[in-house]
Amino acid sequence: DTGVSQDPRHKITKRGQNVTFRCDPISEHNRLYWYRQTLGQGPEFLTYFQNEAQLEKSRLLSDRFSAERPKGSFSTLEIQRTEQGDSAMYLCASSLVVGGNYGYTFGSGTRLTVV
Amino acid sequence: AQSVTQLDSQVPVFEEAPVELRCNYSSSVSVYLFWYVQYPNQGLQLLLKYLSGSTLVKGINGFEAEFNKSQTSFHLRKPSVHISDTAEYFCAVSYNNDMRFGAGTRLTVKP
Repeated sequence: DTGVSQDPRHKITKRGQNVTFRCDPISEHNRLYWYRQTLGQGPEFLTYFQNEAQLEKSRLLSDRFSAERPKGSFSTLEIQRTEQGDSAMYLCASSLVVGGNYGYTFGSGTRLTVV
Repeated sequence: AQSVTQLDSQVPVFEEAPVELRCNYSSSVSVYLFWYVQYPNQGLQLLLKYLSGSTLVKGINGFEAEFNKSQTSFHLRKPSVHISDTAEYFCAVSYNNDMRFGAGTRLTVKP
């Protein structure tokens, strides 16, 4: 297992364009999380899935953001009509939740720059 | 809801000196505590975690942290730092799989 993979590593897009990021979690992990991290800040929670069900969405996740995990494996995060304020590192993490909390394994992130 | 405060945004230290990165948390329930390290343009790597049991937790790269319930603190320590420890360090608190992070402490190790 190679850990949590995110693709692409970097994305530069023009304002108003749509972008989609992909996350492949550790295969036996049942939970998948998306976080956003801006410069000089800690990661902020966006949403998480347990298997294919999206169980919680942060108020940070505006209507322009949508996340899916169709088969309970990989996940995608789409941002429509990007704005400059969307520029950030988007981090994906996964965890195995079995009777406790064992911490998350993070991917290397996708850095989005909106110009 | 739980929250985390990292008391120092930047900590400069000379190589081979000891270091302590401070973290205080706020929660009305029992939580789990974590420290993560982030190198430039990388994701977060777990250093150590406190789930229960001994309040002194040892992690990777020679780091350790002590959980202090009465002071609601979870400070990270290393007795002798290396240049390679230069990175951003994040304290995190988790309850019911909802993990919240502090703003981070930038540790800079100088030769």
